[in-house]
Amino acid sequence: DAKTTQPNSMESNEEEPVHLPCNHSTISGTDYIHWYRQLPSQGPEYVIHGLTSNVNNRMASLAIAEDRKSSTLILHRATLRDAAVYYCILRDSNSGYALNFGKGTSLLVTP
Amino acid sequence: ETGVTQSPTHLIKTRGQQVTLRCSSQSGHNTVSWYQQALGQGPQFIFQYYREEENGRGNFPPRFSGLQFPNYSSELNVNALELDDSALYLCASSLAGRGAMGYTFGSGTRLTVV
Repeated sequence: DAKTTQPNSMESNEEEPVHLPCNHSTISGTDYIHWYRQLPSQGPEYVIHGLTSNVNNRMASLAIAEDRKSSTLILHRATLRDAAVYYCILRDSNSGYALNFGKGTSLLVTP
Repeated sequence: ETGVTQSPTHLIKTRGQQVTLRCSSQSGHNTVSWYQQALGQGPQFIFQYYREEENGRGNFPPRFSGLQFPNYSSELNVNALELDDSALYLCASSLAGRGAMGYTFGSGTRLTVV
């Protein structure tokens, strides 16, 4: 799987939107962009994924650049429960299995 | 729909011993994968099982082995434990052919090797 680059940490105020960036300049045409988050003392949790078009679900939105070399996970209103490590992962739908986690972005949400 | 459950939640073993960790996959999922997460690091892929056979493996030595049972539950076995095996072991399940969709992870087993 191609590699991704994320900031080590970010901070946000509660109730404000959060934009978590991810660079993936070597992305291939069959790579899906996945986001997972890991709350303290829990396993990773699926957040959202997309291929080319922007995606929305109840948890977040995913904005994908037109050239697909970067993407942004958007939390519309951060809450204290959103404090977690967020992982951006590229996954080739043709090659099967492994999720290649990096170190992710540690999001701190302050009241 | 039940999620992924892992047992035990915590375990302490002595160097050189063997350990077995267990995982029940989410209802409807037929593929199980295992990850090792050292403190402060992202999870690292160990291997995946589908139809009771290993169909993918990460960079882990043969002393890490596994099983998948007909009910899709799974075990991770680690022989000859080393201090560096101390980590959080995560199990994830998915539906084969829907790999582009999300995996469901358990909360993990915290293994400490002393």
